[in-house]
Amino acid sequence: SQWGEENLQALSIQEGEDVTMNCSYKTYTTVVHWYRQDSGRGPALIILIRSNEREKRSGRLRATLDTSSQSSSLSITAAQCEDTAVYFCATDPLSGSFNKLTFGAGTRLAVCP
Amino acid sequence: EAAVTQSPRSKVAVTGGKVTLSCHQTNNHDYMYWYRQDTGHGLRLIHYSYVADSTEKGDIPDGYKASRPSQENFSLILELASLSQTAVYFCASSWDREGERLFFGHGTKLSVL
Repeated sequence: SQWGEENLQALSIQEGEDVTMNCSYKTYTTVVHWYRQDSGRGPALIILIRSNEREKRSGRLRATLDTSSQSSSLSITAAQCEDTAVYFCATDPLSGSFNKLTFGAGTRLAVCP
Repeated sequence: EAAVTQSPRSKVAVTGGKVTLSCHQTNNHDYMYWYRQDTGHGLRLIHYSYVADSTEKGDIPDGYKASRPSQENFSLILELASLSQTAVYFCASSWDREGERLFFGHGTKLSVL
């Protein structure tokens, strides 16, 4: 399969804490997408990092990509209650002329009680 | 903001019955996709299309057909619904550029009884 972790992971933190979510992939990709899914909604892209980038920032989000170890991480600084969601990473293993994303199982993040 | 609309939002079907899920996008996107999400898991690609009147098999196409009668519309058809097809189905669209983000609909919750 594409992913190192097959089952949904779960994290619970307090507001104001920093959190990092990891994913590993087995097939070469030129880009890693990170999507956020709120309850009852479809996933929405929050940050995208390409293979020529080691780090990408967007507001309180920071994504990293290590192509040598085929892993990526998403960090949220000073988490807020509204960050509660499921976070997925996705890759394009074919890296061809079209998008055909493969999604990991995701991490369910709970912030606040 | 790009828009992908799915109908119905939820459906209950009987085993062996025919089910059609519909998707409409107003994004002028070339690519459209159908993903399936099972509880506690990531999204898996069923079918996709990059041009009207043509569809391609994704990673889990068995038991599903797809139809793309126009650029805007993409349907998923379950000719003989089975219990194992109970899941949430997401439609998405994207531009025809490598690494482009996917825009998802809200999803259709299908229960096969």
